[in-house]
Amino acid sequence: NAGVIQTPRHKVTGKGQEATLWCEPISGHSAVFWYRQTIVQGLEFLTYFRNQAPIDDSGMPKERFSAQMPNQSHSTLKIQSTQPQDSAVYLCASSLGDRVYEQYFGPGTRLTVL
Amino acid sequence: GDSVTQTEGLVTLTEGLPVMLNCTYQSTYSPFLFWYVQHLNEAPKLLLKSFTDNKRPEHQGFHATLHKSSSSFHLQKSSAQLSDSALYYCALGSATGNTGKLIFGLGTTLQVQP
Repeated sequence: NAGVIQTPRHKVTGKGQEATLWCEPISGHSAVFWYRQTIVQGLEFLTYFRNQAPIDDSGMPKERFSAQMPNQSHSTLKIQSTQPQDSAVYLCASSLGDRVYEQYFGPGTRLTVL
Repeated sequence: GDSVTQTEGLVTLTEGLPVMLNCTYQSTYSPFLFWYVQHLNEAPKLLLKSFTDNKRPEHQGFHATLHKSSSSFHLQKSSAQLSDSALYYCALGSATGNTGKLIFGLGTTLQVQP
């Protein structure tokens, strides 16, 4: 069991550029979550997929942020026109469908926007 | 809306002393409560959950009791170890709809000194 895989581990972008973050959930897990972690805000929920379908995106900034899950083995979080305030660690988590709160987190992608 | 409060940002204590990290919550309905632990440069991991068939949840010497009357789910351990030094998050999950969305407190950093 390789755990949740996130790539890249670190990403540096210039202001206004696009950033795409990748997540591979644990095999057999049907729920995938995205969170953002900062020192000031802690862990913030962004969005959630179940069986590849978007279920709850209530934490996603309405502009510039989007997430997809094209197949059961990966999900992407895309940030368009990145801004310095987007700098954070973006964490992906997955869980079994009947234990959605028992989430297994990946190591995260540290995004730095210059 | 639902929220979680962790009043201490940093708790420092000496090895062997008891640990208590505070967590209170606000929720319209009776939620599920969780403790996640994040060691330095690692991903958050589930430590405890509030629903364990009427048994007090316990793991690695840590335990927590859900008190609905006071809306609290404090984390306790009788004797701190150096390896307990980490960031601890209290989290809330809605018991209605099984949404999967976790709402985290800001976290408490526990530093255990020799």
